[in-house]
Amino acid sequence: SQTIHQWPATLVQPVGSPLSLECTVEGTSNPNLYWYRQAAGRGLQLLFYSVGIGQISSEVPQNLSASRPQDRQFILSSKKLLLSDSGFYLCAWSPPPGTYNSPLHFGNGTRLTVT
Amino acid sequence: KQEVTQIPAALSVPEGENLVLNCSFTDSAIYNLQWFRQDPGKGLTSLLLIQSSQREQTSGRLNASLDKSSGRSTLYIAASQPGDSATYLCAVRHSGGSNYKLTFGKGTLLTVNP
Repeated sequence: SQTIHQWPATLVQPVGSPLSLECTVEGTSNPNLYWYRQAAGRGLQLLFYSVGIGQISSEVPQNLSASRPQDRQFILSSKKLLLSDSGFYLCAWSPPPGTYNSPLHFGNGTRLTVT
Repeated sequence: KQEVTQIPAALSVPEGENLVLNCSFTDSAIYNLQWFRQDPGKGLTSLLLIQSSQREQTSGRLNASLDKSSGRSTLYIAASQPGDSATYLCAVRHSGGSNYKLTFGKGTLLTVNP
């Protein structure tokens, strides 16, 4: 069966420090990968998605970047964190659209607090 | 632009009650609709997925229906239990060239009182 791992679970970082959040998926190949941010009262916001290695699309301009160095690895990064980057970050995967159903599956999330 | 609305924003019911959560979307050109559950501080857990060609899906005490033409879905929970307390979110997957993208509602916070 497929599983998704996301770490760390919580992170407290000072303003201006770098960020690296990692997500890996097991038990599937060529997944679509996603980074979402969830803010109170604003719902889930899609930050990045990837349909393959090295293929990253950004949904919103921001202080963050994403990379996909391997088929089942997705990394969210920042060179210098801002206070506004605080939030709950969720990694997700799905089979490619066209695969029957294509459900979306989420990791357990990372609570990031920028101080 | 696809918009997804969930009503009510919060719901409190006594244990054992049957209940319905509502989800509406503005663009009927969807690939599928998915219902999720989120416990505080946790990720989202997939409950049910309905393809655009389907009318309903069932899993245990949960039943989700889809009326694509009217832009509505409902999640029916039978014989509610305190363990059902959580936030329930619906999401629609866009069709066509944007089929990588899902639009989420803001969720319904359900509290089942013992």
